[in-house]
Amino acid sequence: AQTVTQSQPEMSVQEAETVTLSCTYDTSESDYYLFWYKQPPSRQMILVIRQEAYKQQNATENRFSVNFQKAAKSFSLKISDSQLGDAAMYFCAYAGTLTGNQFYFGTGTSLTVIP
Amino acid sequence: DAGITQSPRHKVTETGTPVTLRCHQTENHRYMYWYRQDPGHGLRLIHYSYGVKDTDKGEVSDGYSVSRSKTEDFLLTLESATSSQTSVYFCATAFRQKPNEKLFFGSGTQLSVL
Repeated sequence: AQTVTQSQPEMSVQEAETVTLSCTYDTSESDYYLFWYKQPPSRQMILVIRQEAYKQQNATENRFSVNFQKAAKSFSLKISDSQLGDAAMYFCAYAGTLTGNQFYFGTGTSLTVIP
Repeated sequence: DAGITQSPRHKVTETGTPVTLRCHQTENHRYMYWYRQDPGHGLRLIHYSYGVKDTDKGEVSDGYSVSRSKTEDFLLTLESATSSQTSVYFCATAFRQKPNEKLFFGSGTQLSVL
């Protein structure tokens, strides 16, 4: 099975500041995708952003962007201008063509936004 | 978002009793998944389905079985619940089984086995 590691169980950020959540993964595949999902207290899982491994350009979605380092197998999420509504659990996830297209999730990072 | 309904939303049961969780979708997605979420483990795949009556095991399938008799329904059964199966269970669906495909999640079922 693929492994996805999130080494920061908890993070906090001041409102309007920037925070970066870390994710590393292990794979032998060359064709795969990486995702960040957000889980607010409502428990709903929300796709934040996704990155295709063969694309060198980092994905961005409004205030959310990633720093994808393929050689280092690193996929961090940057949240700019943090808002109170960003407080949630964030999960990094991996899906690859050779692993049956199954999704593998990290253990999550709980983000607190301080007013 | 996709219409995925999980029932029940909360359940408390006793060790040794059978439990069935239901996932119902209105999106006609072919692929359906059951995950469990536990602190320190994230989400782990239990079973998945790639069509009616077509299912396969995930990484934590022991103690669980699934059935899919209709496209819209995917049932997860704990034949004899144990305390280690206390968890939040999520159903997810996808239109295609491709690595770039977005997963659509239900709201989860909190199961407590006493």
